[in-house]
Amino acid sequence: EPEVTQTPSHQVTQMGQEVILRCVPISNHLYFYWYRQILGQKVEFLVSFYNNEISEKSEIFDDQFSVERPDGSNFTLKIRSTKLEDSAMYFCASSEEQGYVGGELFFGEGSRLTVL
Amino acid sequence: AQSVTQPDIHITVSEGASLELRCNYSYGATPYLFWYVQSPGQGLQLLLKYFSGDTLVQGIKGFEAEFKRSQSSFNLRKPSVHWSDAAEYFCAVVWDTGNQFYFGTGTSLTVIP
Repeated sequence: EPEVTQTPSHQVTQMGQEVILRCVPISNHLYFYWYRQILGQKVEFLVSFYNNEISEKSEIFDDQFSVERPDGSNFTLKIRSTKLEDSAMYFCASSEEQGYVGGELFFGEGSRLTVL
Repeated sequence: AQSVTQPDIHITVSEGASLELRCNYSYGATPYLFWYVQSPGQGLQLLLKYFSGDTLVQGIKGFEAEFKRSQSSFNLRKPSVHWSDAAEYFCAVVWDTGNQFYFGTGTSLTVIP
């Protein structure tokens, strides 16, 4: 069964360092997303990406964040200068359709980021 | 503003008992509703979704949910819980005004023998 894969599963970094989280969405999907879940809190939307550009982003997704689809398979989230409050589980998701026309989100297992 | 509320942070049920997890949303646009389950160390897996038609939808693993527009609710139910159902359950909504999924805070389910 096709699945979304994420690497690394866990990353520990020092405050101020750059972090890149990688995702391989399901191959025929067109819409890509990053969500995050701070421990004990709800899953929060960060950004959606379609046709090689950001289609929506939340207030959390400030200038410290960027996304890229560098090739036909990977979808990356970069945090330029990590802060303590960036510690969270980051989920990548992909869908074949948009959510409001029946698009089911397929999630990866998450990348846990710990900022010290 | 859009919001999704799961009033129960943690629920404990006995194996074989029935289960109902609550989900409410607020916003004026047409909602499209989902329930996801997250087992420890796993990603989120879709249980079921509602877009239109019959307001009672069936999902995987014996779960069902009922959309009640008058109550802005989409509660998840299962008639007989199994120990393997212990997990975190998330309600999610996307509105027809955008493509962003809004998640509730989740309900943690413990199943006791």
